[in-house]
Amino acid sequence: DQQVKQNSPSLSVQEGRISILNCDYTNSMFDYFLWYKKYPAEGPTFLISISSIKDKNEDGRFTVFLNKSAKHLSLHIVPSQPGDSAVYFCAASGASGTYKYIFGTGTRLKVLA
Amino acid sequence: EAQVTQNPRYLITVTGKKLTVTCSQNMNHEYMSWYRQDPGLGLRQIYYSMNVEVTDKGDVPEGYKVSRKEKRNFPLILESPSPNQTSLYFCASTSTGGEPQHFGDGTRLSIL
Repeated sequence: DQQVKQNSPSLSVQEGRISILNCDYTNSMFDYFLWYKKYPAEGPTFLISISSIKDKNEDGRFTVFLNKSAKHLSLHIVPSQPGDSAVYFCAASGASGTYKYIFGTGTRLKVLA
Repeated sequence: EAQVTQNPRYLITVTGKKLTVTCSQNMNHEYMSWYRQDPGLGLRQIYYSMNVEVTDKGDVPEGYKVSRKEKRNFPLILESPSPNQTSLYFCASTSTGGEPQHFGDGTRLSIL
């Protein structure tokens, strides 16, 4: 039972354009959502997060949107840069008062120069 | 420098030979966790610890053990490794459960 889903395994975008990465979840008890970026041979690094009480959080070129009714979140990267090429994982936590993290399967973003 | 350190980074071993992957963090974090990453499955949580001597199962705990005797260390133990435990493993830590985690650089285990 995949509680956090990233349905697009890969995405290619031209440099300077917008990248939109999507994530869906099934458990309405999740109260905190995070995005991580992962380069080859390195561990994931935290990118941006959003609490369930908000619908948008922005940090520089990165914006995360949360649509609770649709159980959907998205990460927007504007403008995309070649250095953004990586695997992006969304994650959720807080369900049932536990401190378990549930990760999606990841989306590989390739930004073309 | 704030970091999570895992050792070894790479290991090839045989079925049934007990092994331990160490994890240490220097940020005085209370929460630590282990994950495995497999193609098409993303990151799956194996075990986590909310404090010294407090551990709990994640989504895929079978075949693994952990211990948290000190705040900074959280070793992952495979008592009798099997080929289906061949994977890329990550240790992570954070100050509070639910907050963004700091990850180590990973340990690639191959069990023949």
